[in-house]
Amino acid sequence: SYELTQPPSVSVSPGQTARITCSGDVLPKKYAYWYQQKSGQAPVLVMYEDSKRPSGIPERFSGSSSGTMATLTISGAQVEDEADYYCYSTDSSGNHKGVFGGGTKLTVL
Amino acid sequence: EVQLVESGGGLVQPGRSLRLSCTASGFTFDDYAMHWVRQAPGKGLEWVSGISWKSDNVGYADSVKGRFTISRDNAKNSLYLQMNSLRAEDTAFYYCAKDFDPGDDFWNFPGGFDVWGQGTLVTVSS
Repeated sequence: SYELTQPPSVSVSPGQTARITCSGDVLPKKYAYWYQQKSGQAPVLVMYEDSKRPSGIPERFSGSSSGTMATLTISGAQVEDEADYYCYSTDSSGNHKGVFGGGTKLTVL
Repeated sequence: EVQLVESGGGLVQPGRSLRLSCTASGFTFDDYAMHWVRQAPGKGLEWVSGISWKSDNVGYADSVKGRFTISRDNAKNSLYLQMNSLRAEDTAFYYCAKDFDPGDDFWNFPGGFDVWGQGTLVTVSS
């Protein structure tokens, strides 16, 4: 099995830059995906294939990956960005498994 | 509009079975792999299972392997999850999710998901 590790929480003031990290041995070989989940709602894709932003996601969201760490960056975080963020990636050994990180609670206040 | 609608959740006793369904619309269902993801109340997301468009690549989380079976009916634009020998720890919201890709590539399955349903709640309790 393999794991993705995220910090449990990140806190910033409005307008500051929030960085959420995701570490895992599979990340040099597989893409990271990021999902935002607001309270009581289904998750929403905010970044795919490490650094691609889906249509409709604000430009303040960006992604990167280097070595065993992927990072979701929110430049100029807004109050409405407060949510849980999950990274996701996939097994690289043909076992056909996906895995999520434990999630990071982003607080913007 | 791309839409995924889950159904079949409910209250079930430990050891019993339940079958979840997901009906897709707004896209060509048999062009994409599909997945089930769950979330226990107050907990994080857990990938449960995925299936390629042809059903030739299938994967399960260790926590459900041997008890859950994923399947699909492309003619009905539907995805299923047969859950047997249910346990209290299977209590969760179950989400259906659409993959970016068909899932043909053995070494690149599963992929990530771009669309999620709203989920259906499964409660396992006596």
